Amino acid sequence: EAQVTQNPRYLITVTGKKLTVTCSQNMNHEYMSWYRQDPGLGLRQIYYSMNVEVTDKGDVPEGYKVSRKEKRNFPLILESPSPNQTSLYFCASRYHSNTGELFFGEGSRLTVL
Amino acid sequence: ELKVEQNPLFLSMQEGKNYTIYCNYSTTSDRLYWYRQDPGKSLESLFVLLSNGAVKQEGRLMASLDTKARLSTLHITAAVHDLSATYFCAVDMLGNPPGGTSYGKLTFGQGTILTVHP
Repeated sequence: EAQVTQNPRYLITVTGKKLTVTCSQNMNHEYMSWYRQDPGLGLRQIYYSMNVEVTDKGDVPEGYKVSRKEKRNFPLILESPSPNQTSLYFCASRYHSNTGELFFGEGSRLTVL
Repeated sequence: ELKVEQNPLFLSMQEGKNYTIYCNYSTTSDRLYWYRQDPGKSLESLFVLLSNGAVKQEGRLMASLDTKARLSTLHITAAVHDLSATYFCAVDMLGNPPGGTSYGKLTFGQGTILTVHP
């Protein structure tokens, strides 16, 4: 089954404790992206990757890092989480940066205390 | 900067009624997507509209795109309770940034929360 898989789905952590949210897709998509969703603010892009070893900032990259060492994986790293990073995070992928719809993962709800 | 605006943001409908959700966007694009999101769930792709005049229908939902007006509509026919969800339109930034670099970003509207009552 074609899918985008995120882990963990739910996480409660404390300020400053590094965490990684993993994302993996099995559709051989070149393009991957992270969004966060907050009430009243909609979905905002954090980082994106057009291919292996090619990443760039989206609209709200502060406090986040990403890497793309393999085509299927695109982890989101919070080096020192803060409460304003409490949010619902979605990983998404599409075949190419200018082709196809975005397929979304199930979401990861993160709470930073 | 591309802006995507949906209206209404909240829609309470009776079962059996018809209604339309509007999605306006601020810059040239001929690629627009509609997604559905149930509470606490992921976004599910509903429609992909890739050209001016495109019309897609699935069940009680029909989406259209007018690129000249920079407007897409999502029409609901004879609403049923199962359609209750949040609906997002998203516009493809393909070729829009200065310099024409395509980076695959979809810019989302705020979402329309649809509630269908008996």
